Amino acid sequence: QVQLQESGPGLVEPSQTLSLTCTVSGGSISSAGYFWSWIRQHPGRGLEWIGYIYHSGSTYYNPSLKSRLSISVDKSKSQFSLKVNSVTVADTAVYYCARVNKLQQLVDYWGQGTLVTVSS
Amino acid sequence: SYELTQPPSVSVSPGQTARITCSGEALAKQYAHWYQQLPGQAPVLVIYTDTERPSGIPERFSGSSSGTTVTLNISGVQAEDEADYYCQSADSSGTWVFGGGTKLTVL
Repeated sequence: QVQLQESGPGLVEPSQTLSLTCTVSGGSISSAGYFWSWIRQHPGRGLEWIGYIYHSGSTYYNPSLKSRLSISVDKSKSQFSLKVNSVTVADTAVYYCARVNKLQQLVDYWGQGTLVTVSS
Repeated sequence: SYELTQPPSVSVSPGQTARITCSGEALAKQYAHWYQQLPGQAPVLVIYTDTERPSGIPERFSGSSSGTTVTLNISGVQAEDEADYYCQSADSSGTWVFGGGTKLTVL
């Protein structure tokens, strides 16, 4: 059973960088058939795709967020990470990490989610 | 970029059939998937590639597709089905989009 766990600060000041890490267990982050994704959900709102990364390091970003995003992978630690630069209160959300089935382009495993609040 | 449109809310009585639609031009060429999100929990896949049901999902969940609209059907709705439901698709470049979500209320 694949498990994903988000970790990182729950509070970030405006204009700073939001950094989160997702630790994968129960499956290999180097598996050929999967991407590793970040998805967020603003309070009381719907889901927003942020982007995903392949174990090779290839990335795909939401065009509306691309200029502020960076997703990276550390295969040795079975982790992938998200950085969002120049955050504002609009970046306050629950952030989920997830495993994406590459062929079918769907999420088959989700992390539990972590709330990140942007506030001074 | 493209959009997927869902009704904000659907209400049904227990035992009835709930139908939640998701519309978008890309759906004429791309598959859609459906997720159920219970309050305070991460989403769970309930239908994939328009009509397929993952193992462990009750048979009362089904999906259909016609043109640019996909539909999630929940027959014999139960109180435990009250949740938010999201459709999701991806275009040929790998860009994803979620529908705005539909809140299913069991009366």
